[in-house]
Amino acid sequence: EVHLVESGGGLIQPGGSLRLSCTGSGFVVSNNHISWVRQAPGKGLEWVSIIYIDGDQHYADFVRGRFTMSRDNSKNTVYLQINNLRADDTAVYYCAPTAAHRFDPWGQGTLVTVSS
Amino acid sequence: QTVVTQEAAFSVSPGGTVTLTCGLNSGSVSTSHYPSWYQQTPGQAPRTLIYSTNTRSSGVPDRFSGSILGNKAALTITGAQADDESHYYCVLYMGYYIWVFGGGTKLTVL
Repeated sequence: EVHLVESGGGLIQPGGSLRLSCTGSGFVVSNNHISWVRQAPGKGLEWVSIIYIDGDQHYADFVRGRFTMSRDNSKNTVYLQINNLRADDTAVYYCAPTAAHRFDPWGQGTLVTVSS
Repeated sequence: QTVVTQEAAFSVSPGGTVTLTCGLNSGSVSTSHYPSWYQQTPGQAPRTLIYSTNTRSSGVPDRFSGSILGNKAALTITGAQADDESHYYCVLYMGYYIWVFGGGTKLTVL
């Protein structure tokens, strides 16, 4: 069964940095395009970024160079590095394989709280 | 700026039929946007219902269907059940490796 686990969230001060992890089981992460989607408390879903099988990456406009995806094939894990965190980055961050323009399945997410 | 529009809230009676829509602030939605639909209950991760306009995800009951209606994507629930009470999100592929979610529709079954 395909399963993803996000981790790395927590409470971080504005201006800080964080690296989120998305670890897969039941499938090979490097054989899939993987997206990050976030959801601020009480708000809707927001697509953040994608890393393709070939390593190509794309980001939502609001990222403005602060977010970077990477992948460690040996750990079957995709990462999202977030720098210069702002209060409006507070959200649950989900990762999901992306194929046929479908995000599926979803992990349970990891909560990032940016606050002083 | 691209804005994907959804009804903020909708209600349906048990056993009834409801159609939720997904539009654009500028232009029409087509199959080239590969609309997909997700169901989310509070505290849970989203669940995929429909992708590529009208393909049901594995395990999704056939009372959920997707289509293009006029200039919008649509999710129709036929024979609504109490546990269909959720938030529903659509997402559109805007080209250039960018996806945009709608703001979501809160569906009440009463």
